[in-house]
Amino acid sequence: AQKITQTQPGMFVQEKEAVTLDCTYDTSDPSYGLFWYKQPSSGEMIFLIYQGSYDQQNATEGRYSLNFQKARKSANLVISASQLGDSAMYFCAMREGVKNAGNMLTFGGGTRLMVKP
Amino acid sequence: GAVVSQHPSWVICKSGTSVKIECRSLDFQATTMFWYRQFPKQSLMLMATSNEGSKATYEQGVEKDKFLINHASLTLSTLTVTSAHPEDSSFYICSPPPSGREYYEQFFGPGTRLTVL
Repeated sequence: AQKITQTQPGMFVQEKEAVTLDCTYDTSDPSYGLFWYKQPSSGEMIFLIYQGSYDQQNATEGRYSLNFQKARKSANLVISASQLGDSAMYFCAMREGVKNAGNMLTFGGGTRLMVKP
Repeated sequence: GAVVSQHPSWVICKSGTSVKIECRSLDFQATTMFWYRQFPKQSLMLMATSNEGSKATYEQGVEKDKFLINHASLTLSTLTVTSAHPEDSSFYICSPPPSGREYYEQFFGPGTRLTVL
C-alpha cells in the first residue's frame, strides 16, 4: 500500500499567486516526520520544510508553509507568492519513528509545478 | 547544512561494463548511507543502505550481485553497477541520515545520472 500519496501529477500557477500541493500519508506509527523537497531539472533534492507528528503548530519557512491535518493524515505544502524559479518537481516524504534518524525516507510520486509568467 | 558530494555527476557507458559511483560526506562522519534510485519521471525509491563495518542491506527486488555497495570509511560509500544494461539507466542519489545533528536534516548528494547504451 502507498504510504505517501501525491494526487496531483502536474499543477499550473500564475506568478505571484499562492498554490497548494497535496500530500496524504499512511502510517500506524504515532511518531513520524513529514518532509517536502524541491527537485529542479538539475536533479538536486532541496529540503524545504519539515513537520513532526507531535509538533503543535504548522511549520513555516519563508514562503513555504505546511498545512498539517493530523486526523486527515494530510500534509499539504503551501507556496505563497509563486515565482518563476519555483517551477520544479515537488516531493512529499515521510520518516517513521521521527527521532530514529536511521530510518529512511519514503517518497510520494511527486507533483510537477509550473509557474506561468 | 551537511555537504555530500557524488562522483561522477553523470556517466555514459556501454552495456556490459561496470560503473562505480562514489558518495562522500565532506563535513561529518556517516556510519550509514542510503542509496536511492530515480527512474525518469518517477519518484525516489530506496535501493539499499550501506553500513560502515558490516554488509549493506538491500530492499526487496534489488539484486545484491548487480548493485555492489561498500561503505569503505566514515566518509565514503560506493555503489558499483556491475554488467550495466540499458534498464539500469537512472539517477542515483545518496543520502546520509542526520546523525548527531537535527533529526530532520535529511540531506542528499547531487546525484549521478547513469546512461547505459
